Amino acid sequence: QSVLTQPPSVSAAPGQKVTISCSGGSSNIWSNYVSWYQQLPGTAPKLLIYDNNKRPSGIPDRFSGSKSGTSATLGITGLQTGDEADYYCGTWDTSLSAAVFGGGTRLTVL
Amino acid sequence: QLQLEESGPGLVKASETLSLTCSVSGGSISGSTYYWAWIRQPPGKGLEWIGSIYNSGTTYYNPSLKSRVSISVDTSKDQFSLNLISVTTADTAVYYCAREDSNALKDSWGQGTLVTVSS
Repeated sequence: QSVLTQPPSVSAAPGQKVTISCSGGSSNIWSNYVSWYQQLPGTAPKLLIYDNNKRPSGIPDRFSGSKSGTSATLGITGLQTGDEADYYCGTWDTSLSAAVFGGGTRLTVL
Repeated sequence: QLQLEESGPGLVKASETLSLTCSVSGGSISGSTYYWAWIRQPPGKGLEWIGSIYNSGTTYYNPSLKSRVSISVDTSKDQFSLNLISVTTADTAVYYCAREDSNALKDSWGQGTLVTVSS
């Protein structure tokens, strides 16, 4: 059971928009920065969003992040088949003194 | 360009100790203000943070693994290591090393290494 809760799967058609939620609590999301990772099949995770809403160099602006209270959201617009992957949210949990991940969300581009 | 590479046995017997090393190149562990982390992913499952270490030796561990885990650093070799004792088949996973900042974001990852625990 993950500390952060994500939907197991989401799907949308090419060109459409999708959002992935990440729900936590006061000791993690509410009080710390959230990051998002993309894991393409058979590869290591890659940083997609950091500090709630910043994109590393090379990440297209189709990817966006936001945070409100104890929840965070990853948004992807202009979906492409190459976006099919597993997406994970992560943050620090102050009560646990540990980093935590969400359970992951599989994105299918229909 | 920072690169991380995991190394170690791909097969470990149950009840024994899993030991992995992460070698860092293109940057220095001792000169950085980052933490160095281990993360694992059982086959078909999600990511699980194992723990991290600062170049001073300060460590943080996943509470669920704390009794069995130790992470150490060798700044002279730009390497950090993971030891997991008393393994079971539930410890079978791809093990990743990563660079982690104080906000727990991981901006560089190794390619991962599969460790299978045999019964």
